[in-house]
Amino acid sequence: QVQLVESGGGVVQAGSSLRLSCATTGFTFKNCAMHWVRQAPGMGLQWVAGISFDGTNKYYEDSVKGRFIISRDSSKNRLYVQMNSLRPEDTAVYYCVRDSFSSGWFDFWGQGTLVTISS
Amino acid sequence: EIVLTQSPATLSLSPGETATLSCGASQSLSRSFLAWYQVRPGLAPRLLMYDASSRATGIPDRFSGSGSGTHFALTISRLEPADFAVYYCQQYNDSPFTFGGGTKVEI
Repeated sequence: QVQLVESGGGVVQAGSSLRLSCATTGFTFKNCAMHWVRQAPGMGLQWVAGISFDGTNKYYEDSVKGRFIISRDSSKNRLYVQMNSLRPEDTAVYYCVRDSFSSGWFDFWGQGTLVTISS
Repeated sequence: EIVLTQSPATLSLSPGETATLSCGASQSLSRSFLAWYQVRPGLAPRLLMYDASSRATGIPDRFSGSGSGTHFALTISRLEPADFAVYYCQQYNDSPFTFGGGTKVEI
């Protein structure tokens, strides 16, 4: 069955970097666009970044542009996000999300990994 | 960016009743590119509807979506215990993709 398993979360200081990884199984990864969506404590969902099925196009929410880099490795069926210059407001659960039809709606979500940025 | 406003913030209902959730967009979603998600504590979010009124795979027909332009709704009939959760709308008409603030359906 489809599985998206995030890892790499933790507690780091403001200004630090962190790399999240998402291991995927149960579907043809190379055919799907993928995204990262986050949810800050007590807040709603926020789209963070997306990458096309072939990795050629990458999209970012304004607040992370220039600090986060989304990437994928289809040989390993993995999605990544490199997060630099982290801020306390980046504290959130980060979800790896599948976009099967490159349509912008998210048909499968991982369980999420918690990132906490201390000031 | 397109701002989505969900109402009400909280809906208090009993099992068996019908829930009607609203989602308003700050600009017209010209192609009804709106999705709905269910979020329950400890579980991954789940896609319910896409393109405003198309049910996702495995979603029962108690869930229905409607609307166009700037006004959309999600209706959940015959509420079951597992339906008490937080629901979010999301637009993918324009980048950046944005979510509404959520509606909590509580017992």
